Amino acid sequence: DQQVKQNSPSLSVQEGRISILNCDYTNSMFDYFLWYKKYPAEGPTFLISISSIKDKNEDGRFTVFLNKSAKHLSLHIVPSQPGDSAVYFCAASISSGSARQLTFGSGTQLTVLP
Amino acid sequence: DVKVTQSSRYLVKRTGEKVFLECVQDMDHENMFWYRQDPGLGLRLIYFSYDVKMKEKGDIPEGYSVSREKKERFSLILESASTNQTSMYLCASSLYGDRGHGYTFGSGTRLTVV
Repeated sequence: DQQVKQNSPSLSVQEGRISILNCDYTNSMFDYFLWYKKYPAEGPTFLISISSIKDKNEDGRFTVFLNKSAKHLSLHIVPSQPGDSAVYFCAASISSGSARQLTFGSGTQLTVLP
Repeated sequence: DVKVTQSSRYLVKRTGEKVFLECVQDMDHENMFWYRQDPGLGLRLIYFSYDVKMKEKGDIPEGYSVSREKKERFSLILESASTNQTSMYLCASSLYGDRGHGYTFGSGTRLTVV
């Protein structure tokens, strides 16, 4: 049973428009949410994060929104650029006795069309 | 530039073989992780380690074991490779206490079991 779900395997948007990537989670114990970006033949790299006590975090063109009551978060990219084309993974973590573990979603392939 | 290095980019092994996947990090990170990435399933945690000689099971440890004899090296072992272990394997490391935004991933090893 996937605790972090990305229901859209792919998304295409025009350059300059907004990209909205969505993610749902089931475990209310998650206290930190992140987005990672992955290009082909490379490992995922951290993009942006949000604590569960906040509802919005912004970093340049990237904004993450968290709706705890709906157990939903989204990543907005404005304006979208062709270089943003990649697989985006939503992830969530819980504080535990040992190392924090990240639970990832299945990913969304974003294609930004020039 | 900090790095997580995975020893092989591509690997082809026969069913029943014992397979070793090696991962080395040069960042003095306490935590190390092994994930596998499969289409539609995203990244799933196999094992992780928060200290030398320490290991904990992730979500899908069956058929795998790990070894961490030195802080910088984390090995994933497939005791008897099977075709359902054909996948992309990703190693990651992070500092103790990192909430997830400081994960550094390797470029991955594409393993094919025939």
